[in-house]
Amino acid sequence: KNEVEQSPQNLTAQEGEFITINCSYSVGISALHWLQQHPGGGIVSLFMLSSGKKKHGRLIATINIQEKHSSLHITASHPRDSAVYICAVGDTGNQFYFGTGTSLTVIP
Amino acid sequence: NAGVTQTPKFQVLKTGQSMTLQCAQDMNHEYMSWYRQDPGMGLRLIHYSVGAGITDQGEVPNGYNVSRSTTEDFPLRLLSAAPSQTSVYFCASSPFPREWGPIYGYTFGSGTRLTVV
Repeated sequence: KNEVEQSPQNLTAQEGEFITINCSYSVGISALHWLQQHPGGGIVSLFMLSSGKKKHGRLIATINIQEKHSSLHITASHPRDSAVYICAVGDTGNQFYFGTGTSLTVIP
Repeated sequence: NAGVTQTPKFQVLKTGQSMTLQCAQDMNHEYMSWYRQDPGMGLRLIHYSVGAGITDQGEVPNGYNVSRSTTEDFPLRLLSAAPSQTSVYFCASSPFPREWGPIYGYTFGSGTRLTVV
């Protein structure tokens, strides 16, 4: 049983396309994180949110607490967005659970 | 530069050897944690700490020890390395998890690629 499920596992898009990555979770959470893992392995925290919506540049993250679902959107995708995107949730007991990631490839 | 520093970046061990993966942060974060990342399994929590002198087990603690004598440092010890511990290890820190004010949330180290032969 996975506490965090992501879809799709792999995604290929043409440059300029609008991209959506989905995350569903089954635990009660204190916060949800979206992370970006670069091809070299480094991990960057993109968003931390507990309600509503956050925007940073071309990235938008939304969360629906009632439905236990979050989405990460990338507008006007670019090849440099190619990376693995990971959803993680922190539960109310200091534990974190991670999705297996969505591998995104943006083709010029 | 502020951040999480992990050393070493790469390590090869023989089965049965011991070693310590170092993790240090200079952001005065209370919460520190160690994860391992394996193909197809995502990141899994090994141990975590909510402050100096306090540690607890995560999802996959067996074979690993930690201590937190200072806010800055959170070393991970492998007492007797096994091939099953071949993985990429990440250290991460954040302000105490229940505070969601900070924009950037978690800060991760650059990872340690460990191979046990």
